[in-house]
Amino acid sequence: EAQVTQNPRYLITVTGKKLTVTCSQNMNHEYMSWYRQDPGLGLRQIYYSMNVEVTDKGDVPEGYKVSRKEKRNFPLILESPSPNQTSLYFCASSLTWQSNEKLFFGSGTQLSVL
Amino acid sequence: GDSVTQMEGPVTLSEEAFLTINCTYTATGYPSLFWYVQYPGEGLQLLLKATKADDKGSNKGFEATYRKETTSFHLEKGSVQVSDSAVYFCALRRDTGRRALTFGSGTRLQVQP
Repeated sequence: EAQVTQNPRYLITVTGKKLTVTCSQNMNHEYMSWYRQDPGLGLRQIYYSMNVEVTDKGDVPEGYKVSRKEKRNFPLILESPSPNQTSLYFCASSLTWQSNEKLFFGSGTQLSVL
Repeated sequence: GDSVTQMEGPVTLSEEAFLTINCTYTATGYPSLFWYVQYPGEGLQLLLKATKADDKGSNKGFEATYRKETTSFHLEKGSVQVSDSAVYFCALRRDTGRRALTFGSGTRLQVQP
């Protein structure tokens, strides 16, 4: 089954404790992206990757890191989480950068930073 | 910068009622416009799109027409079902630069039997 898999589904952590949210897709997609969803703000792009070893900042990259060492994986790293990073996070992928409106989304990761 | 404004929800309707969810946008040039739907506990799915003025996107009984003169892309459905209960997001994408999607804040639709 074609899918984007994120883990964990829920995460509660404390300020400053490094964490990683994993994302994997099995569709051989070139384009991957991370979004955060906050009430009243919709989805905002954090980082994106057009292909392996090619990543770039989205609209709200501060406090986040990503890597794209393999085509299927695109982890999101919070080196020193803060309470304002409490949010619902989505990983998404599409076949190519040019077709990035046909995004396949993961089920989301609800992060709480205390 | 680019922005998308949607009507606030929740929108509560009875089954078989007519649905309109308003969406207006601000962007330079000629963006592509989209509606996405998010069912409970899931990620967003592309519902329909329109890439130029006067285009009508349609899918699953939903329609939206790209109106450049009013910078709008309102979502409509003639007869909603309980299974349409979800959050609907309007979005735009400029087809230059990094081609990022800009999302509205979402409108929750609740359909009652």
